[in-house]
Amino acid sequence: QITLKESGPTLVKPTQTLTLTCTFSGFSLTTPGVGVGWIRQPPGKALEWLALIFWDDEKRYSPSLESRLTLTKDTSKNQVVLSMTNMDPVDTATYFCARREGFYDSTGLQYYFDYWGQGALVTVSS
Amino acid sequence: DILMTQSPSSLSASVGDRVTITCRASQSIINSLNWYQQKPGKAPKLLIYAASTLQSGVPSRFSGSGSGTDFTLVISALQREDFASYYCQQSFSIPPTFGGGTKVEI
Repeated sequence: QITLKESGPTLVKPTQTLTLTCTFSGFSLTTPGVGVGWIRQPPGKALEWLALIFWDDEKRYSPSLESRLTLTKDTSKNQVVLSMTNMDPVDTATYFCARREGFYDSTGLQYYFDYWGQGALVTVSS
Repeated sequence: DILMTQSPSSLSASVGDRVTITCRASQSIINSLNWYQQKPGKAPKLLIYAASTLQSGVPSRFSGSGSGTDFTLVISALQREDFASYYCQQSFSIPPTFGGGTKVEI
């Protein structure tokens, strides 16, 4: 059974750094092709992809947020940690982590987020 | 970034109705298109990947089609548990981008 769960503060002050941990089970981040991504959703709004870390430690970040984001992984603990600096009230959102699975078909690489955590609501306010 | 545009943004339907949601990409994404369902207060759930492949465990009343820039999610006979928001997401290039969502209401 694959599960993911986000943990971290529910309230941060403007300019502070947010650190969220995704703890997962049922798969390994050492398996080729596997990744863990972070996606957020402001209240009442659409989903926004933030970052992705792969089994080989390759990392990809949203271009609009790249300067503020850092991803690390601890494969022994089955954890992925997302840090976001200089938090602002517009960053108030539910933050999800999700497993990224991929495969190759006739058109090339296909990937999707097949298992998601329950989400962690983070409010940015003084 | 590839812009994903969904329509409609919301729709009203009844149990048993056939529902169609469309998603348009700002450039060709071949068939790299996924669909998710999200209920209030819950995480998104993967329904369809690679435009038309049903995720394991998803009812067959859901189907996806399309290629290039235009894609469709169809619910053949709406059930009560299908009232939710639906999002498309392209996986053709980084960053993966989501559509703005379609809320299916009673």
